[in-house]
Amino acid sequence: DIQMTQSPSSLSASVGDRVTITCRASQGISNSLAWYQQKPGEAPKFLLYAASRLESGVPSRFSGSGSGTDFTLTISSLQPEDFATYYCQQYYSVPLTFGGGTKVEIK
Amino acid sequence: QITLKESGPTLVKPTQTLTLTCTFSGFSVSTNGVAVGWIRQPPGKALEWLALIYWNDDKRYSPSLKSRLTITKDTSKNQVVLIMTNMDPVDTATYYCAHGYSDYDSFFDFWGQGTLVTVSS
Repeated sequence: DIQMTQSPSSLSASVGDRVTITCRASQGISNSLAWYQQKPGEAPKFLLYAASRLESGVPSRFSGSGSGTDFTLTISSLQPEDFATYYCQQYYSVPLTFGGGTKVEIK
Repeated sequence: QITLKESGPTLVKPTQTLTLTCTFSGFSVSTNGVAVGWIRQPPGKALEWLALIYWNDDKRYSPSLKSRLTITKDTSKNQVVLIMTNMDPVDTATYYCAHGYSDYDSFFDFWGQGTLVTVSS
């Protein structure tokens, strides 16, 4: 199985801050990586796929990068509605695996 | 517009079998390239993928749960069913069904609202 490790597990930031979340795969996954946002009590919301392709309707302040084993999700200017938990998921091979999540909290 | 909704029992006893139904609209599970998956999330914990069924009835399971899981589809009813046997309190979680982007790229672009299943005697 491919293990996905996210860091940090949580962070505190202020509105307007630039935030970067890292996701590392235990082996190379090319660019087969998706990111999700989850707010308390809600289902995950799909943000990006192929490491850097933004889903339609997702604000452009979200961006992704990386290939192989190391990936990042960046929020260029944090907005109040962005406080949530973010998960990465590799779809390079089955079993599909998710990272442990990164909780973005208000500073 | 794609929507999915999970249904099933909210409480099951240990050793019982859980049957969850995902009823969806906006797509057909018989269309080339379509996939539907199940993912769960224990309270306060991360997401865990369980199973995936493809348009051609190909199926994939989490290796750690494979012996306990069965996924099926009913094209006429627009439903996908997940069966999990021998339930244990550690299986307490919110269970989600989700639309797979394609049979090649297995990420999930649309999710159901989830259903919380508690395993307790």
